[in-house]
Amino acid sequence: EIVMTQSPATLSVSPGERVTLSCRASQSFTNSLAWYQMKPGQAPRLLIYGASTRATGIPARFSGSGSGTEFTLTISSLQSEDFAVYYCQQYNNWLPITFGQGTRLEIK
Amino acid sequence: QVPLQESGPGLVKPSETLSLTCIVSGGSITGYYWSWIRQPAGKGLEWIGRIYSTGSTNYNPSLRSRVTMSVDTSKNQFSLTLTSVSAADTAVYYCARMGGNWLDSWGQGTLVTVSS
Repeated sequence: EIVMTQSPATLSVSPGERVTLSCRASQSFTNSLAWYQMKPGQAPRLLIYGASTRATGIPARFSGSGSGTEFTLTISSLQSEDFAVYYCQQYNNWLPITFGQGTRLEIK
Repeated sequence: QVPLQESGPGLVKPSETLSLTCIVSGGSITGYYWSWIRQPAGKGLEWIGRIYSTGSTNYNPSLRSRVTMSVDTSKNQFSLTLTSVSAADTAVYYCARMGGNWLDSWGQGTLVTVSS
């Protein structure tokens, strides 16, 4: 199975800042990667699929990029509602689908 | 997005069977794959498996021997059973719809605790 590694585990940032989250895959693939946002007590939300395609209703401040083994999620200007945990997920080898361990964005 | 809601017992005894149902509202279950995912406290997400609306299934090899999924299109719902549970199966369980092989709609999750 493909192992996904996210870094850092926690990121302390201020509202308005630009932030980049990293996701590394143990095997190379083109663009079979998704990003999710998770908040306590809420349904997780799909942000990005196909490594760079924003899901329906996702603000333009969220962008994804990368291929091979290195992928990133960038939030151009952090809003208060963006403080959450973010997970990447590969689906190149979909049996099984695997997730990274998550990056927590906290308010500095 | 399609609203999804998990339901089932919040407490299961060790060695018994965990059973959960996901109700799909505001959209048809037909023509999609549907997944179960779980997250133990303080840990990452684990994909359990998926079922198509026709009943075809694929399970995570790590859980395959204990997992069964089923679908009831007349009730617009699908289900998960996990046998021979232990404390390691304590987690928040999510159901989700698959668009491609990503998960485009999720339920809020339900906590299942395995304890005597």
